[in-house]
Formats: sequence, structure tokens, C-alpha cells
Amino acid sequence: DAGVTQSPTHLIKTRGQQVTLRCSPISGHKSVSWYQQVLGQGPQFIFQYYEKEERGRGNFPDRFSARQFPNYSSELNVNALLLGDSALYLCASSLVVRVGYEQYFGPGTRLTVT
Amino acid sequence: AQRVTQPEKLLSVFKGAPVELKCNYSYSGSPELFWYVQYSRQRLQLLLRHISRESIKGFTADLNKGETSFHLKKPFAQEEDSAMYYCALSGMDSSYKLIFGSGTRLLVRP
Repeated sequence: DAGVTQSPTHLIKTRGQQVTLRCSPISGHKSVSWYQQVLGQGPQFIFQYYEKEERGRGNFPDRFSARQFPNYSSELNVNALLLGDSALYLCASSLVVRVGYEQYFGPGTRLTVT
Repeated sequence: AQRVTQPEKLLSVFKGAPVELKCNYSYSGSPELFWYVQYSRQRLQLLLRHISRESIKGFTADLNKGETSFHLKKPFAQEEDSAMYYCALSGMDSSYKLIFGSGTRLLVRP
């Protein structure tokens, strides 16, 4: 198993544009979480999906949205991009959602907004 | 407020020296605490969690609820321990989302 995969690896967008980031979880994992990591900071929680339903949402504006597909892969969409959206976007998958569960992280998508 | 604080951005030690990476948290309840590590050019991965009470790669961490701390320790640092270390907590809401600290870069010099 290749682990959690994310695409694309790098992305450059202009302010005001829209972007879609993709994540494929580890086979058998039903939960996907998204995190934003700004340079010099730790990852910050954006969304979590489990069994195709949203289980949690972080403190991000409505410009951020996500969904999970029947095969448990996920997309993160960001509309009306701002310079401050430049960051590494991490996807993490887990088998279940319960206290103390382990999340497995992907390599991330580096988004640059100019 | 839910928060994880790692006061040191960089910790530099010599090989064989003891290491302690500090982590303090703020959470109204009983969170689960984790240490994640990111080696150069690798993805973020779980190092250990307090619920397991295990030692991984010689590292241990004890949850001190009185001081709300979860410091990571290793008695003798190795060069391969050089990496970025993140302390994180998971709360008891429906998502059990991870709240990360800002990270500490550990540099072990020969």
C-alpha cells in the first residue's frame, strides 16, 4: 500500500481563483481529515469526513469546502483564493474515528497563491 | 480554549546528550496526547501516544495532568533523531480532531 496519496504535489494559483485538492486514503480507511499547515506553524484542522459525512469543521471561512466520495477519497475546494491561503495542505486517513485513533498523513499539496 | 504550546522552535544537542522537548496543553476535559514526527523529506508520522504508554525509538512521554504537560524525553540523543517534532491533542468531540503545537526542530550534532 502506497499510503495516503495526494494530488497535485504543487500548485500555483492567482488570487480570486478556485482550487481543488484530492486525497486517496489508505485502503480500508473510512475517515479523511484535512489540515492546513502554514510555514512555521503546526497543522491546523479544516475538515473531517467519516463514511461520507462531515464529522467536524475547523475555524475556516465558507470559502473552504470538502466532500468524500463512495470510495472514501476526498476533495478539498477553496474558492476566491487569498494570498493567506498559501500553505501545505495535508490529508490524513484513519480506520475509525474514536479517541486515541492514529491518523496517517499524506505528503501534502503545496499551494502558492500569487 | 483548546491549545498546544511548544515553547522551543529549535533545540540543539550533541549526540549522546539527553533530550527533552516541552509540550503544554490547555483543554477543558481529558484529552488524548500525541507526539508526531517529521523527518527530512518524509511525511508526518505518529511517534507515540500517551494512551499506549510505550517507548518508541527510545522516546517516552508522560502525561502530567496537574501541570498540563506532555514532555517528550530521550536519555541519549542520536543523529537520526534530528527532525521536526509536533505535540498534538485530540479532544472528545465527534471528530476527535488533532490540535497541533507549532513544532520544535531537534538538531542532534555529532
